[in-house]
Amino acid sequence: SQTIHQWPATLVQPVGSPLSLECTVEGTSNPNLYWYRQAAGRGLQLLFYSVGIGQISSEVPQNLSASRPQDRQFILSSKKLLLSDSGFYLCAWKQRGTGELFFGEGSRLTVL
Amino acid sequence: SQQGEEDPQALSIQEGENATMNCSYKTSINNLQWYRQNSGRGLVHLILIRSNEREKHSGRLRVTLDTSKKSSSLLITASRAADTASYFCATEGISNFGNEKLTFGTGTRLTIIP
Repeated sequence: SQTIHQWPATLVQPVGSPLSLECTVEGTSNPNLYWYRQAAGRGLQLLFYSVGIGQISSEVPQNLSASRPQDRQFILSSKKLLLSDSGFYLCAWKQRGTGELFFGEGSRLTVL
Repeated sequence: SQQGEEDPQALSIQEGENATMNCSYKTSINNLQWYRQNSGRGLVHLILIRSNEREKHSGRLRVTLDTSKKSSSLLITASRAADTASYFCATEGISNFGNEKLTFGTGTRLTIIP
């Protein structure tokens, strides 16, 4: 069966520090991968998606970047965090051609 | 940008009653999906309805889709305390790059009162 792992679960970082959130998927190959951000009490905003190794599409201009160094690994990064980067970050995957998204448990980032 | 808008934003009902949530969207879609999120957790897929379908059932869930009105509804029958969660609709369209992506609404916070 397929599983998705996302870490760290909780992160408190000072403004200006770097960020790395990691997501890995097991039990499937060549998945579409997604990073979403959820502000407190709000809906989900799509940040990045990837259809293959090294292929990243950005949905919104921002202080963040994403990379896919391996087929089932998706990394969200920042060189210098801003206060506005605080939020709940969710990684998700789906098989191409199917509808359902499978989500990780999320990473809660607080920038102070 | 948000594609879907759920209505109401919050809903409180007594256990055993039915809960109805609505979703409106703006552009043509391939399918519409409903997800559930318990507080502080990831989202869980509930049901998918394709653009050529009008109604779909799964257990106590019933989803309708009206593409002419660009709207959908989720009905949860015989609600239980465990149904307390946020519910999101999501629409699948085609991006500028021809790849699949889901756009989520703002969610309905459902509280079931025991």
